[in-house]
Amino acid sequence: DAKTTQPPSMDCAEGRAANLPCNHSTISGNEYVYWYRQIHSQGPQYIIHGLKNNETNEMASLIITEDRKSSTLILPHATLRDTAVYYCIVSAYSGAGSYQLTFGKGTKLSVIP
Amino acid sequence: KAGVTQTPRYLIKTRGQQVTLSCSPISGHRSVSWYQQTPGQGLQFLFEYFSETQRNKGNFPGRFSGRQFSNSRSEMNVSTLELGDSALYLCASSPWGTSNTGELFFGEGSRLTVL
Repeated sequence: DAKTTQPPSMDCAEGRAANLPCNHSTISGNEYVYWYRQIHSQGPQYIIHGLKNNETNEMASLIITEDRKSSTLILPHATLRDTAVYYCIVSAYSGAGSYQLTFGKGTKLSVIP
Repeated sequence: KAGVTQTPRYLIKTRGQQVTLSCSPISGHRSVSWYQQTPGQGLQFLFEYFSETQRNKGNFPGRFSGRQFSNSRSEMNVSTLELGDSALYLCASSPWGTSNTGELFFGEGSRLTVL
């Protein structure tokens, strides 16, 4: 399984863009990058995923480098409700049509008023 | 559309007992995955069921088991509880399993405390 490396914590001012980096230098050609977040005491919430092209949805944008060895999750206008642990995950094929998500430690994002 | 429902939300057991946790996936979802979350180890994959068959399993001892019913509801069981089994147990459902084109929908979790 490809491993991911994220900073343990980051701060962001409310209203500013939050840029969360992730390194995944051993990613394979058919592995996707997923981002989830977990607000305290809740289950993780899916944010976005991508293969090699940049992706955008109503929550965030995902920028993947051309060599696919790193990516950045962008929350364009962070609010206090975006304070959470953000997980960058590379999906691994486990056989029999199943994929297993391996969660790391994630990045604790604190949005500051 | 109702989300993933896990019961019970909180429970307290003593060492040596067993526990059964239940998960009702989103209607139409056929895959259910279970994860254990502890402060020390983070989120760890337990197993995944799809159409009543376990098709993926994490690195946990045999005391941890699960099953899935024909209506896609799933249960997980932990026998001979140990103090280290205290954790938040999360269930996630998906229509296709944890595929490259899908996402997981998590429940709120069942918090187990073993005394």
